[in-house]
Amino acid sequence: DADVTQTPRNRITKTGKRIMLECSQTKGHDRMYWYRQDPGLGLRLIYYSFDVKDINKGEISDGYSVSRQAQAKFSLSLESAIPNQTALYFCATSDFPSGSNEQYFGPGTRLTVT
Amino acid sequence: DQQVKQNSPSLSVQEGRISILNCDYTNSMFDYFLWYKKYPAEGPTFLISISSIKDKNEDGRFTVFLNKSAKHLSLHIVPSQPGDSAVYFCAASVWAGNMLTFGGGTRLMVKP
Repeated sequence: DADVTQTPRNRITKTGKRIMLECSQTKGHDRMYWYRQDPGLGLRLIYYSFDVKDINKGEISDGYSVSRQAQAKFSLSLESAIPNQTALYFCATSDFPSGSNEQYFGPGTRLTVT
Repeated sequence: DQQVKQNSPSLSVQEGRISILNCDYTNSMFDYFLWYKKYPAEGPTFLISISSIKDKNEDGRFTVFLNKSAKHLSLHIVPSQPGDSAVYFCAASVWAGNMLTFGGGTRLMVKP
């Protein structure tokens, strides 16, 4: 079974709709992240959480909100979706700082806003 | 302004030859660097990393070189294999355990 799962894997929605992307992990990590990937821009950080009571904005948080329901669950919401939020979204986790600084990514959610 | 840049969006290499992927950064405070590989329909997976106290780190066919004075790092894959065909992202952080800043990615195609 995958350590980091994301649902849904694909979603098409209309402008103005509210949508939630969900992330679950079984790695036991405290830290979780949401990124979006756009062609040529790599992965940009939307929000991150170092534990259940800690939520922080990333580079591009406008238009997004998050909820950390438990250590294992981190959800990303688009309150009113717009076409330029069409992108590939990734959730990631990491352990307390260790030597490698490695983050573990989910398989991604492809979101299309029409 | 992007602090981490991968100026080649794509690279094509013949199987068995060397692949060299490049990455430049502008923030002199970055001192930890990572490479990730991404296949279609999958999330990025960690490949190799390097701390600024080193200038080279090897792991099998993969070697990362760091030139701090030039703010440049490169990933060498020798020999390249068709299964290496993927998008490669470099990432940097101010210290190990801090936030990662990613480059735009380079799509590597290894031809049989």
